Amino acid sequence: EAGVAQSPRYKIIEKRQSVAFWCNPISGHATLYWYQQILGQGPKLLIQFQNNGVVDDSQLPKDRFSAERLKGVDSTLKIQPAKLEDSAVYLCASSPRDRGPGELFFGEGSRLTVL
Amino acid sequence: AQTVTQSQPEMSVQEAETVTLSCTYDTSENNYYLFWYKQPPSRQMILVIRQEAYKQQNATENRFSVNFQKAAKSFSLKISDSQLGDTAMYFCAFMKEYGNKLVFGAGTILRVKS
Repeated sequence: EAGVAQSPRYKIIEKRQSVAFWCNPISGHATLYWYQQILGQGPKLLIQFQNNGVVDDSQLPKDRFSAERLKGVDSTLKIQPAKLEDSAVYLCASSPRDRGPGELFFGEGSRLTVL
Repeated sequence: AQTVTQSQPEMSVQEAETVTLSCTYDTSENNYYLFWYKQPPSRQMILVIRQEAYKQQNATENRFSVNFQKAAKSFSLKISDSQLGDTAMYFCAFMKEYGNKLVFGAGTILRVKS
């Protein structure tokens, strides 16, 4: 079974520029998550999709962050304009319906550096 | 709001020995789930073990076991017979019973030495 795919793995941008991250979840997984992991901190949920609908985006800074899940499969997370404090690893995860609660399958992450 | 605290930023252990990672949490919920996730260097984070709060029996998965103390809101992870491949960042996490969001602690870096 292929895992959660994310790209790019690394991205360096100047502040005020924009960036987009892509995630392809495990086939058949209905739920998709984007987490932000700042150095020295645990991952923080940004947004959760169930199929192509948003379940929770309460911690997404909507003035600069946006996310969509195309046709309930792939997802894109965009930051525009980026700030220095957005430097972090952006983790995508997915989960199927038939596993126990809280069992998420994570990708390797996309590391963003904002200069 | 729930909070998860891991008070040990880094720990080390000799190969084949036993190590315990600590985690405390704060919640007003009665039923919930607790987890330990492992994040190896440059690799995906994976679930190690899960504990349901309504179960008194501590969860066990091979060399990994937990000590769940509900009244004390404590949830420690014991790794027996440590292996070099156990070197990773370990995150403790909380989720409400009917919730959808994992709340993670800051993590503990574990280094297994040969």
